[in-house]
Amino acid sequence: DAKTTQPPSMDCAEGRAANLPCNHSTISGNEYVYWYRQIHSQGPQYIIHGLKNNETNEMASLIITEDRKSSTLILPHATLRDTAVYYCIVRVAGGGADGLTFGKGTHLIIQP
Amino acid sequence: NAGVTQTPKFQVLKTGQSMTLQCAQDMNHEYMSWYRQDPGMGLRLIHYSVGAGITDQGEVPNGYNVSRSTTEDFPLRLLSAAPSQTSVYFCASKRDRGSLNTEAFFGQGTRLTVV
Repeated sequence: DAKTTQPPSMDCAEGRAANLPCNHSTISGNEYVYWYRQIHSQGPQYIIHGLKNNETNEMASLIITEDRKSSTLILPHATLRDTAVYYCIVRVAGGGADGLTFGKGTHLIIQP
Repeated sequence: NAGVTQTPKFQVLKTGQSMTLQCAQDMNHEYMSWYRQDPGMGLRLIHYSVGAGITDQGEVPNGYNVSRSTTEDFPLRLLSAAPSQTSVYFCASKRDRGSLNTEAFFGQGTRLTVV
């Protein structure tokens, strides 16, 4: 699986859009970008995933650059409940040595 | 749906004791897995199962056993607990291994302390 690089922490004001970057410069053509988050003391929660097109769901938007070497997770209107560690994961869907490789992620703190 | 249920939520063991962490899912998912999370670190895969009767090792399998006799249950056994196994354990499931774009559902975790 490709390695990802994320900033260790970020702040965002409540009500603003939170933009979380992820670098995955060694991504392969068949690898997807997944985002999960972990609110303190809880199990990780799936947010969104994509291959090369931008994706949007009720939680967030995922913007993947054309060369696929980086992506940005966007929480459009951050709330205090969005304070969590956000993990960007790159892996082949359904194959290889299994499991999701969680790095240290980005600790997003939403400020009131 | 209850999703993924882990029991117990908290456990303290003495070194050398054995115990089983329980994990059950009610979504008829084929794929289940166990992770551990140590302070300040990401999750690391211990064991996984792609279906009833089939299990395999992950990144950190030593000191742990698993079995998968039913689709719903995937218990994790600590054979002889060691302080190095103090951690938070998460169980996860997803529809199956081979499908594209399947999200994983996680339980709420078991916080284990070995003294």
